[in-house]
Amino acid sequence: NAGVTQTPKFRVLKTGQSMTLLCAQDMNHEYMYWYRQDPGMGLRLIHYSVGEGTTAKGEVPDGYNVSRLKKQNFLLGLESAAPSQTSVYFCASRKTGTGDYEQYFGPGTRLTVT
Amino acid sequence: AQSVTQLDSQVPVFEEAPVELRCNYSSSVSVYLFWYVQYPNQGLQLLLKYLSGSTLVKGINGFEAEFNKSQTSFHLRKPSVHISDTAEYFCAVTLLQGAQKLVFGQGTRLTINP
Repeated sequence: NAGVTQTPKFRVLKTGQSMTLLCAQDMNHEYMYWYRQDPGMGLRLIHYSVGEGTTAKGEVPDGYNVSRLKKQNFLLGLESAAPSQTSVYFCASRKTGTGDYEQYFGPGTRLTVT
Repeated sequence: AQSVTQLDSQVPVFEEAPVELRCNYSSSVSVYLFWYVQYPNQGLQLLLKYLSGSTLVKGINGFEAEFNKSQTSFHLRKPSVHISDTAEYFCAVTLLQGAQKLVFGQGTRLTINP
């Protein structure tokens, strides 16, 4: 049981390049989230999904797109990277119906845009 | 909308001393409250949570927090810290309904000095 995994762990992009971050969970969780972490700002929600085939915008969605084609995977895409997207990205997942409301986090992806 | 304020960005303490990390929140409706810990170069791990019931909540690693509805606070405490408690701590809230998106505070960096 690997929990929540994220690929890649590190990436350096040039301005204007594109990339996709992959989040995978093996806990059969319904809800999945993408956050970005910046110094002094905590974590901010980018997009989230409440089930396979559904996505919704969070607090800071501009410049990002997401897809949830399979229940266990949640992809975060940057179509044209900008230096402002330099950040650490965390994926999280949560099971519904259990009453504990805990989100389980992946180890993070450190992205630098030059 | 909900918001979370962590009143101290950095807290240095000596080993075996007590510590309190302060968290205040703002919400017009009832929320659930969480404390997460992030050790260096890792993802976030749940320390404790308040959903209902007793306002004093005990978590892992000897931490506890007290929910104070009138003060809208959820301060984290530990009576005696260890070097291994060096980490960043995040307070977060979520609504009882909907997708239970987490809203995080800015984080408090706890540094334990020998």
